[in-house]
Amino acid sequence: DAGITQSPRHKVTETGTPVTLRCHQTENHRYMYWYRQDPGHGLRLIHYSYGVKDTDKGEVSDGYSVSRSKTEDFLLTLESATSSQTSVYFCAIMSRENGEQYFGPGTRLTVT
Amino acid sequence: DAKTTQPTSMDCAEGRAANLPCNHSTISGNEYVYWYRQIHSQGPQYIIHGLKNNETNEMASLIITEDRKSSTLILPHATLRDTAVYYCIVRELNFNKFYFGSGTKLNVKP
Repeated sequence: DAGITQSPRHKVTETGTPVTLRCHQTENHRYMYWYRQDPGHGLRLIHYSYGVKDTDKGEVSDGYSVSRSKTEDFLLTLESATSSQTSVYFCAIMSRENGEQYFGPGTRLTVT
Repeated sequence: DAKTTQPTSMDCAEGRAANLPCNHSTISGNEYVYWYRQIHSQGPQYIIHGLKNNETNEMASLIITEDRKSSTLILPHATLRDTAVYYCIVRELNFNKFYFGSGTKLNVKP
């Protein structure tokens, strides 16, 4: 295992509430990613980070924000959760040398 | 933008070779081909990657056509544990976004 954890692993929240998901790595990798996975869509990139305080948008970034104040933590925030954000969220880190990505176990988020 | 095309699903008999095709006809010279797989609801797992030469590791072989417009992932002796969704991804070396697409669901049957 690549030393990557996600918290919480499961969360149920109500529409309109803020939610923050945490990704933590022990590998000191520069690149970190947030994806969401929905039936029929595979994995879609939300945001990624290429260093502390350096982030960029992915293909489905609307409604999400991220922060990276230290190398080991990458936070994904839903400012006001909607039912369309019910999904499984995966965090990943990347080895810059060969482009291998290592994925966390996922967070299942349900917005009611 | 998913730059690859894969069949939605494939079946393979246990113990036989599984050959998973991927079309990437718009690939450019500095783009690599990566393969990942996702077993059930786990996070995806890296398998192999290559630029233009064929590659082999302990998990699989990657065969890239000479024109680089397509590739095949080969699992030489498929087992039931290889049942998973397999993703073929094209990525430029210095471009750090990955687009996974929907992948191929491989069903290995006894």
